[in-house]
Amino acid sequence: AQRVTQPEKLLSVFKGAPVELKCNYSYSGSPELFWYVQYSRQRLQLLLRHISRESIKGFTADLNKGETSFHLKKPFAQEEDSAMYYCALSGRRETSGSRLTFGEGTQLTVNP
Amino acid sequence: KAGVTQTPRYLIKTRGQQVTLSCSPISGHRSVSWYQQTPGQGLQFLFEYFSETQRNKGNFPGRFSGRQFSNSRSEMNVSTLELGDSALYLCASSLYEGRDYEQYFGPGTRLTVT
Repeated sequence: AQRVTQPEKLLSVFKGAPVELKCNYSYSGSPELFWYVQYSRQRLQLLLRHISRESIKGFTADLNKGETSFHLKKPFAQEEDSAMYYCALSGRRETSGSRLTFGEGTQLTVNP
Repeated sequence: KAGVTQTPRYLIKTRGQQVTLSCSPISGHRSVSWYQQTPGQGLQFLFEYFSETQRNKGNFPGRFSGRQFSNSRSEMNVSTLELGDSALYLCASSLYEGRDYEQYFGPGTRLTVT
């Protein structure tokens, strides 16, 4: 079974402060991890995926297989980062296809 | 390039009725997945279709079904609606099936069951 846990439902920081959104997963295999973001009144969209190792909008995430974590980080939060963030996992294509297992989501608010 | 479209955007139904939701993927995309989003359960996978075949199914009762047409458009049907089926139903499309291909989400259909 695959499971994704985001321990914080709400996270509030001030502009310019560092932010870290936590994500832990369980999967008996080699997963691919994603972060999706949903801005107010917009559709869910991919922010980044671990395999691409890119920094998107200043966000980075490192897959830690030992701790089974994929935390999302940004050194200096901006007000436009306020949104709902979802961590998601995908298993092997042969067994999971395109299926994504999502965490419960973290609502990030960046205060001015 | 037009994004994923879902119709209708809002729907109100009564318990016991059935409902059909439609999803038009991005042109050229062949895989369509459906998710149910509720405040209590979050985002849950319903099923995935690729080349008109159901490839994967989530843990939902048989009242939830779907299909995909030759033009990759997909429909999902919920029969004998229950109050707990009230949710936002999201559709996502990708070029092919599998985690290597980015999924693009539609705006969702908000279903309210009274």
